[in-house]
Amino acid sequence: SAVISQKPSRDICQRGTSLTIQCQVDSQVTMMFWYRQQPGQSLTLIATANQGSEATYESGFVIDKFPISRPNLTFSTLTVSNMSPEDSSIYLCSVSGTATYEQYFGPGTRLTVT
Amino acid sequence: AQSVSQHNHHVILSEAASLELGCNYSYGGTVNLFWYVQYPGQHLQLLLKYFSGDPLVKGIKGFEAEFIKSKFSFNLRKPSVQWSDTAEYFCAVISFSGGYNKLIFGAGTRLAVHP
Repeated sequence: SAVISQKPSRDICQRGTSLTIQCQVDSQVTMMFWYRQQPGQSLTLIATANQGSEATYESGFVIDKFPISRPNLTFSTLTVSNMSPEDSSIYLCSVSGTATYEQYFGPGTRLTVT
Repeated sequence: AQSVSQHNHHVILSEAASLELGCNYSYGGTVNLFWYVQYPGQHLQLLLKYFSGDPLVKGIKGFEAEFIKSKFSFNLRKPSVQWSDTAEYFCAVISFSGGYNKLIFGAGTRLAVHP
C-alpha cells in the first residue's frame, strides 16, 4: 500500500478566502481522488485527479469552487475557493493503481471556516 | 447508479459480543466490495475486500465478510469484539462510470464497544 501525506492537517479559515490542500504519495500512482467528509457523514467523492488532463468532477462539485492540479504521478492539490462555513469538512485524498481498485487514504485535512 | 446501504448507524456492544454489520449494494453484475474502518483520530484503513472467488473474505484484526450475491449483501462480522474495535465502519462498492472506477461509500456505522 502507498504512504500518503496531506498538508495542512488542519486549518481555520475566514469566509471568502481560499485554501490549497496538498497530497503527496510515496510512489507513482495512476489515480488520485479527492473526497469530502462533512461532520457526522460519510465520504463523498469530489473529483478524480488525472495526471496530464483536467480533473473529472462529480455532480454537485465544480472546478471554479474546487480547482485541482495533478502535475505528476505523486502529487495533487485541491483548492477550496471562496470558502463559506458550509465548506467546513475533512478533505481526504486517496490513491489507487490501474491493476487494483483498492484505494488508500491520506490522513485528511480538517477545515473549519468561520 | 450503484449505491450502498448500511442499515445500522450506531451499534453498542459489550466486549466479547459478536458483531454483524449489514451492507447492501444496489445492483448486480461484477462487483468489487470493501469494508473500511476509521478509528478515532485516525485515517481510513482498508479492512477487507472482495473481488471474486471465495465469498467468505478474511480481513485484518479478525474481521470477515460474506458476499451473498442473491441478497446483494456484504455483511461484516467478528465473533468477539474488543474495546479497541470502537470505530466507524464504512462499506463501499466500486462503481464503473465514464471509463474509470470510483468508490461509493455507505453512510457508515459507528460501533462503540464497552469494556
